[in-house]
Amino acid sequence: QSALTQPASVSGSPGQSITISCTGTSSDVGSYNLVSWYQQHPGKAPKLMIYEVSKRPSGVSNRFSGSKSGNTASLTISGLQAEDEADYYCCSYAGSSTSNWVFGGGTKLTVL
Amino acid sequence: EVQLVESGGGLVKPGGSLRLSCAASGFTFSSYSMNWVRQAPGKGLEWVSSISSSSSYIYYADSVKGRFTISRDNAKNSLYLQMNSLRAEDTAVYYCAREDPASSAFDYWGQGTLVTVSS
Repeated sequence: QSALTQPASVSGSPGQSITISCTGTSSDVGSYNLVSWYQQHPGKAPKLMIYEVSKRPSGVSNRFSGSKSGNTASLTISGLQAEDEADYYCCSYAGSSTSNWVFGGGTKLTVL
Repeated sequence: EVQLVESGGGLVKPGGSLRLSCAASGFTFSSYSMNWVRQAPGKGLEWVSSISSSSSYIYYADSVKGRFTISRDNAKNSLYLQMNSLRAEDTAVYYCAREDPASSAFDYWGQGTLVTVSS
């Protein structure tokens, strides 16, 4: 199972919006609405930000939103803030006949 | 408060073995599937293995299949990862993560334990 494809880096200024893409295949992203997104600050454990493509856990800012079209999922962060600077990873269920879960390679978000 | 605390990491020679543990608290451990996810230094996250609540279903990434064994002891609220035939490419921080059935996502993570495979 190959990793999902994410851009290595994105950047934006405070207050702007950015979108991170996550491209998989018809065997993972395209087959299941089980895409999640994780935020990871340096030296810290990942934190769940989005699940089931577009749902936010309690406590996560509504500045974070998710969507999916075909084999590509996206994470949008609006109203960028300095504390949003982190690595972001997408993850998709890939079925029980193969490796259950597959992550993206990660995207480094820089807030300029 | 949900807590996951990994232990057992360290330095091991290629070909060696190591057993990781994850102590869970603050939730009904026996009701959740659990996972191991690793992160090589400076690299991204890689799912390693999962085990269902009653150990009925177990899955592994191709990269560790046949070398790693996941297990759990619900009476002790603990998750384990037995790692054999370790290779340099297994060097990583290993996280245990709870899989929430309501969200089908990893909703809680431990702080990780570092495994270094080097001669």
